Amino acid sequence: DTGVSQNPRHKITKRGQNVTFRCDPISEHNRLYWYRQTLGQGPEFLTYFQNEAQLEKSRLLSDRFSAERPKGSFSTLEIQRTEQGDSAMYLCASSLGLGQGAITDTQYFGPGTRLTVL
Amino acid sequence: AQKVTQAQTEISVVEKEDVTLDCVYETRDTTYYLFWYKQPPSGELVFLIRRNSFDEQNEISGRYSWNFQKSTSSFNFTITASQVVDSAVYFCALSVGGNMLTFGGGTRLMVKP
Repeated sequence: DTGVSQNPRHKITKRGQNVTFRCDPISEHNRLYWYRQTLGQGPEFLTYFQNEAQLEKSRLLSDRFSAERPKGSFSTLEIQRTEQGDSAMYLCASSLGLGQGAITDTQYFGPGTRLTVL
Repeated sequence: AQKVTQAQTEISVVEKEDVTLDCVYETRDTTYYLFWYKQPPSGELVFLIRRNSFDEQNEISGRYSWNFQKSTSSFNFTITASQVVDSAVYFCALSVGGNMLTFGGGTRLMVKP
């Protein structure tokens, strides 16, 4: 059983550059979530997808952030014009959703992508 | 809005001691789910347990046990006979409506040999 995978595991970039992260969920899971975790804090929700539809976005997701899940499988998170405050661990999780508004399913997390903006 | 508070930022114990990690949550919803995750030094969040708001039975899994009390809005986690491998950051989380998780700030547990 393959878990959630994320690439790259580490990314170092200069301020102002664009970066893109990829997440591959567990194969039969139709829900996919993105979280951000800064040092010493708990993860904070960014956005989530049910299949290819983006159903919710946090106010943390500024206009510089965009997420896609084009075919309901893998997802990408892009950050444009990176700032030093974007330095964090970006976590992806997936779950077997039973439909909109259904009971919560357990979210399984990937290893994360650690972003450092210089 | 939902909120999860883990008042203990760091706990240090000696191996074989029992330790309890506290979690207090806030929500106005009557249907919700509570979770505990473990984050070892490698960084990946590992699921430990899920509990729904209608099930207040305590649960035991090996050396781990969980105490859910709606009256005090608490969902505490106890490790019995702690081991060095238990050293990690532990997160309590809350979910309402079946989507996003709201995490607490985490408790760093250090188990010394």
